Amino acid sequence: DGGITQSPKYLFRKEGQNVTLSCEQNLNHDAMYWYRQDPGQGLRLIYYSQIVNDFQKGDIAEGYSVSREKKESFPLTVTSAQKNPTAFYLCASRGLPAEKLFFGSGTQLSVL
Amino acid sequence: QQQVKQSPQSLIVQKGGIPIINCAYENTAFDYFPWYQQFPGKGPALLIAIRPDVSEKKEGRFTISFNKSAKQFSLHIMDSQPGDSATYFCAASIAGGTSYGKLTFGQGTILTVHP
Repeated sequence: DGGITQSPKYLFRKEGQNVTLSCEQNLNHDAMYWYRQDPGQGLRLIYYSQIVNDFQKGDIAEGYSVSREKKESFPLTVTSAQKNPTAFYLCASRGLPAEKLFFGSGTQLSVL
Repeated sequence: QQQVKQSPQSLIVQKGGIPIINCAYENTAFDYFPWYQQFPGKGPALLIAIRPDVSEKKEGRFTISFNKSAKQFSLHIMDSQPGDSATYFCAASIAGGTSYGKLTFGQGTILTVHP
């Protein structure tokens, strides 16, 4: 069953803690993306990667970090520098050169 | 310059009605305009998309109307059903190459279709 798997579904972060959100895809897509969704707002791009071992900052990269060591995986770390981390985080992928984005089911991150 | 403004924030219609959601953009370099549908607790899914070389595109009950001179586009849902109740997002990007996935989203419209 092809798709994008995000885990965990819910995550809680303590003050000063770094947390990592997992994103795995078995669609053989080259490009992967992380978006943040806040209530009443649209999605905003955090980071994206077009190819293994390469990634670029999106519009709101401050306080976040990523890695792309494998084609299938694109984990997002929310660092303690991100002062307002509570949001719904969505991972997406795209098979180049197609235009369609496929989204995972998201991770809801909350601050304790 | 990068904004996409979406209205209304919420919309309630009766079954069979035709909800219309509007979006306006500023960046004239945008040339790919998708609409996404999102159910609670799920990720968005692509519904329909348009490029500015056409003024209208239909897929099933969903139609995009596009007005390039006004920098506006809208989604119409014909014969709406309760199962269409969801949040709808318009988006825009520069088409081609690495830019397709770098979408600028509108704020979203919560659609409720009453039986």
